[in-house]
Amino acid sequence: GAGVSQSPSNKVTEKGKDVELRCDPISGHTALYWYRQSLGQGLEFLIYFQGNSAPDKSGLPSDRFSAERTGGSVSTLTIQRTQQEDSAVYLCASSLGFRDTQYFGPGTRLTVL
Amino acid sequence: AQSVSQHNHHVILSEAASLELGCNYSYGGTVNLFWYVQYPGQHLQLLLKYFSGDPLVKGIKGFEAEFIKSKFSFNLRKPSVQWSDTAEYFCAVTQRNNDMRFGAGTRLTVKP
Repeated sequence: GAGVSQSPSNKVTEKGKDVELRCDPISGHTALYWYRQSLGQGLEFLIYFQGNSAPDKSGLPSDRFSAERTGGSVSTLTIQRTQQEDSAVYLCASSLGFRDTQYFGPGTRLTVL
Repeated sequence: AQSVSQHNHHVILSEAASLELGCNYSYGGTVNLFWYVQYPGQHLQLLLKYFSGDPLVKGIKGFEAEFIKSKFSFNLRKPSVQWSDTAEYFCAVTQRNNDMRFGAGTRLTVKP
């Protein structure tokens, strides 16, 4: 079946502009996660959605970052007034439930000039 | 193709047993290596990482991993597991200028 998809695969933007990154989880998966991977570094947790519960936003690095998940499915990560340090690969993952294996999307590579 | 392999899909241990989870990668050159853990109901968390230096890396909660370059391995170990170690464990590899690649994960169940 279809895996987790993300769009766009690459995004180049100018400093100060807003960007939206999209994640389509696997159908039926109730949990959705956003992570950020900076060049050559490990994975940084950003935000986690589980069903209809309030999201865990504890990993968002600043108030310029926000995310929503509509209808328990598609999620959008928004970065306002982008900065060069926001350049990274943004990974989305979903899992069937909170005890289950995460499946990762291919990521969106964001470059802020 | 570059890949990360975790050969154990599900490991079941009793408390106080010793743990070793295998991780092999197929990258050439310099790599950065990680072990992540996902406890039930939580997001991925970093257990430990290796960038350079001492190939025996100690992480949180008594975990350690050894980088053996000649074997392209980065196995995770813990001398005595606890029930609270029940989780999914992911090995990951990255190289500068490349995205992180994860292994398929190993589910660890520790019986009390």
